[in-house]
Amino acid sequence: AQKITQTQPGMFVQEKEAVTLDCTYDTSDPSYGLFWYKQPSSGEMIFLIYQGSYDQQNATEGRYSLNFQKARKSANLVISASQLGDSAMYFCAMREEGTGNQFYFGTGTSLTVIP
Amino acid sequence: DAMVIQNPRYQVTQFGKPVTLSCSQTLNHNVMYWYQQKSSQAPKLLFHYYDKDFNNEADTPDNFQSRRPNTSFCFLDIRSPGLGDAAMYLCATSRAGGGARETQYFGPGTRLLVL
Repeated sequence: AQKITQTQPGMFVQEKEAVTLDCTYDTSDPSYGLFWYKQPSSGEMIFLIYQGSYDQQNATEGRYSLNFQKARKSANLVISASQLGDSAMYFCAMREEGTGNQFYFGTGTSLTVIP
Repeated sequence: DAMVIQNPRYQVTQFGKPVTLSCSQTLNHNVMYWYQQKSSQAPKLLFHYYDKDFNNEADTPDNFQSRRPNTSFCFLDIRSPGLGDAAMYLCATSRAGGGARETQYFGPGTRLLVL
């Protein structure tokens, strides 16, 4: 079974609008971390936001927030007030306490912001 | 600024000619990773080091080798590159010991072209 599933290969959003990128995960480890990365066309993976499995509140970092629904095993990324520079690939990833240093990546979502 | 550096950014090699990609970090992280990423795909983990302990993924071809002479440096050697090895190669670091909350920090990547 896939550890991380991103079901949206491509998304479009109007500039200044909000957009939600979906991510579901599969783990039996009670302690895990969920991460979102942005990869522009230049290729570098940029860390955006983190959510811990024991965190009571949804993570927020500037215009990025995480809609964490633990029972549904989903960790959707919300980008508010989209900007042209947000056009990129977005990857959801997970790290489990039990498997140590391994990170599991989803297949990514390509986001295009339309002026 | 602390960072992950990869050299070169672009590498052109000939079919079958050995090539070495390098990665260095100033973060003093004890875990270093090498990923292969092909166009529009998720990064694929090749191997990682936890300090000097080498962890090879089961499906990483023998053609790929790695060396980590010290904490700061890690090398990816491709002994006989084939056309299918053309890809982006990403180096990343992470801190172990902090549990599942520790993110990865990526270098800018090396784009490898095999002629």
